[in-house]
Parts: sequence; C-alpha cells; structure tokens
Amino acid sequence: DAGVTQSPTHLIKTRGQQVTLRCSPKSGHDTVSWYQQALGQGPQFIFQYYEEEERQRGNFPDRFSGHQFPNYSSELNVNALLLGDSALYLCASSKDRGTYYGYTFGSGTRLTVV
Amino acid sequence: GQQVMQIPQYQHVQEGEDFTTYCNSSTTLSNIQWYKQRPGGHPVFLIQLVKSGEVKKQKRLTFQFGEAKKNSSLHITATQTTDVGTYFCLPGAGSYQLTFGKGTKLSVIP
Repeated sequence: DAGVTQSPTHLIKTRGQQVTLRCSPKSGHDTVSWYQQALGQGPQFIFQYYEEEERQRGNFPDRFSGHQFPNYSSELNVNALLLGDSALYLCASSKDRGTYYGYTFGSGTRLTVV
Repeated sequence: GQQVMQIPQYQHVQEGEDFTTYCNSSTTLSNIQWYKQRPGGHPVFLIQLVKSGEVKKQKRLTFQFGEAKKNSSLHITATQTTDVGTYFCLPGAGSYQLTFGKGTKLSVIP
C-alpha cells in the first residue's frame, strides 16, 4: 500500500519563476493538504483540497494556488517565486479531512529559490 | 487561525529520563493530534484525542487531553535515543484541523 508520493524531491528555481509540485495521496485517502516548513519551524498550513475544491486556506498569498484531480492527486503552484519561498513543501493526505485518522505526510519537496 | 502554545520549545534529557511536552489553547478544541518528526524526516501521526480527560498510551508514550479540552500533553517515560525528534500538536476545531504548534525539539543524551 503506497504512502504519499511527492515529486520532485528537490528543486532549484530562480526568483520570479513559477513552480509546480505534485502529490499522490495514500490509497483510500480523498483529502490533500499542503504545508510549508521552513528550516527549524513547524509546518505552516497552505490549503486543503477535498472533492476537487479548495476547502480551507491558510495565511498565504494568492501566488500559492492548487488543484486536485478526480483521482485525488494534487498540485501546488507557486508564482513569482521569492527567496523566502525556499522551504520544504509537505503534502499530507487523509480520509475525511483528517479529523478522525490524522494525516499521512509525504517526504516533501525541498524548494530552493536563488 | 487559532493557535496553540506548545512548551517547551527545546528539551535536552539524559537517556532514561522522562520527557513531557504541553499544548495549551485559549479556546475549547474538538480534538488534538500529535505528530513526531525525526531530524530530516517528515511528520508522522502518533495519535488523536477526542474526549474530555482522555488518556491513551502507546508503549512508553502517554497522551492526555484536559478535562476542559483546552490542553494536552505527551509524556515519554525513560527516553531512548530513538525518541529524538520534534513533537508537534495539531488542534482541531469542528471538522477542521488547524495550525500546528511550534513543536518541542527533544534531544536525548546517551
């Protein structure tokens, strides 16, 4: 039973560019949440997708957008990259928004903006 | 969004000593989840507490949810080097999970 798969694992982008990160949820999960984790900090909630809609959003600018596909996989897009966007981006999948059985996290995508 | 205060931020213990981390909220929570993140790894779900006064145990780990459902604790008995990592709480309100606490980073000195 595959867990959460994220791609790519590492990425280097130039300031001002755009990036797309991908996530395949654990089998049986229907909800995908995205988190940004800076070095030494806790995960910061970006948004959550359920039934292909953004159901909940954290305090992130509109440069951060996402999508969920019918197979429950998801993408995180970040436009106009800033140096401060350098972080580990974690995808977490869950059943029923994670309020009953918790989140399963992927290993993350390490984004470096130069 | 709603925040919880997680304390302490860091804890260094000798192997074999006990360890406790606390999450405190100013408002009543519907549930609270605990996660562990090993150095260089990703958060791993440990447990969820839902009921007032609930206590759950996993081997040497004991999790408690306060009577008022505003605070929670994670206690590790006789720490081992495998317990090293950062422990996060994640509060829930209604049908949503909220923001992770800042975490408690545990170091175990052999």
